[in-house]
Amino acid sequence: EEQLLESGGGLVQPGGSLRLSCAASGFTFGSNTMKWVRQAPGKGLEWVSSISGSGGNTYYADSVKGRFTISRDNSKNTLYLQMDSLRAEDTAVYFCASPSRMGYWGQGTLVTVSS
Amino acid sequence: DIQMTQSPSSLSASVGDRVTITCRASQGISNNLAWFQQKPGKAPRSLISAASSLQSGVPSKFSGSGSGTDFTLTISSLQPEDFATYYCHQYNAYPLTFGGGTKVEIK
Repeated sequence: EEQLLESGGGLVQPGGSLRLSCAASGFTFGSNTMKWVRQAPGKGLEWVSSISGSGGNTYYADSVKGRFTISRDNSKNTLYLQMDSLRAEDTAVYFCASPSRMGYWGQGTLVTVSS
Repeated sequence: DIQMTQSPSSLSASVGDRVTITCRASQGISNNLAWFQQKPGKAPRSLISAASSLQSGVPSKFSGSGSGTDFTLTISSLQPEDFATYYCHQYNAYPLTFGGGTKVEIK
């Protein structure tokens, strides 16, 4: 069974850092572009970042460019999101997801940025 | 950036109704469009990719159509478990973008 399991969320002060992880199983992780999508409380879905299967190409939303870094370890079937210089507006549930043609989503991990 | 405009933003319908949600892209995206269903407190569930391809395990009451800039999601006979928020999503070009969502409520 295909599964994505996020971890690493929590409460952090403005200006702080967090590293999210997403462990994948049940499909060929290393062949596929993966993405992070977030959802602020009561709001819609917002794409955050994507990374190609090899890790050689990365893409970011303007709202996080220069502060967030996406990476992956294909030997561990794990996707990461390093989040630095966090702001209150980064408060959201963060989901990892497979390519849309595959349609796999994790359950999400909550990041709260507050003093 | 490609803007995705969904309509309506909300609708009230009865069990058994046929429901159609539309999504318009600000520029052509071929058929690189997906539809998701989301219930409160849950992760999005993928329904359709490539505009009209049903994901494995999704019932055939859901269907998608369109290409270019105009797309539709249709639920042929609304059931109680279908009351949720639905999102369209273009993956034709970065930055990837989502529609604002359509909340389907019980009349």
